Amino acid sequence: AQTVTQSQPEMSVQEAETVTLSCTYDTSENNYYLFWYKQPPSRQMILVIRQEAYKQQNATENRFSVNFQKAAKSFSLKISDSQLGDTAMYFCAFMKNRDDKIIFGKGTRLHILP
Amino acid sequence: DAGVIQSPRHEVTEMGQEVTLRCKPISGHNSLFWYRQTMMRGLELLIYFNNNVPIDDSGMPEDRFSAKMPNASFSTLKIQPSEPRDSAVYFCASSFGQGNSPLHFGNGTRLTVT
Repeated sequence: AQTVTQSQPEMSVQEAETVTLSCTYDTSENNYYLFWYKQPPSRQMILVIRQEAYKQQNATENRFSVNFQKAAKSFSLKISDSQLGDTAMYFCAFMKNRDDKIIFGKGTRLHILP
Repeated sequence: DAGVIQSPRHEVTEMGQEVTLRCKPISGHNSLFWYRQTMMRGLELLIYFNNNVPIDDSGMPEDRFSAKMPNASFSTLKIQPSEPRDSAVYFCASSFGQGNSPLHFGNGTRLTVT
């Protein structure tokens, strides 16, 4: 069975700093998808970024980028120039290829301090 | 596009009562998921449907929980009888399925069982 581990339950950084959230996963699959979701205090779940395992290039979305290390089964999220609106719970998630089921980590609560 | 619509947004009920949560997925999406979020367990997948057919219900905690999807635009999650430990936020999500399509979440239903 696949598992997703986020080892940092909570983090705080100053506004404008760069922060990296860790995620590791366990799978015997070769093809799969990885995601980072953001959950602000409003409770809404928002997709931040997505990575296909067969792509070596790390995905980037504006201030958000990932460091995908397939051999190490690591998928960290980097937020550059952090903003107060980035304060949220961040979930790492895994999906096997040709499967619909997405498995989530337990999340990292990120506080951006003014 | 109205997004995934869940109702009610909040539900407070007494132990032993029946609770029904409702979900309308995004039109055209063929996969629908029910997740439960608690502080202790994070986001757990309860059940998911593909083309209205239940594919994996291994996450349904007990026989007290049941889910249906009578058509492509509506699903229910029922708890009967409810217990205080069922208190959580329940999310519905939908997607086109097959990896390329991320999940789109509803705003969740916060259930409190007293």
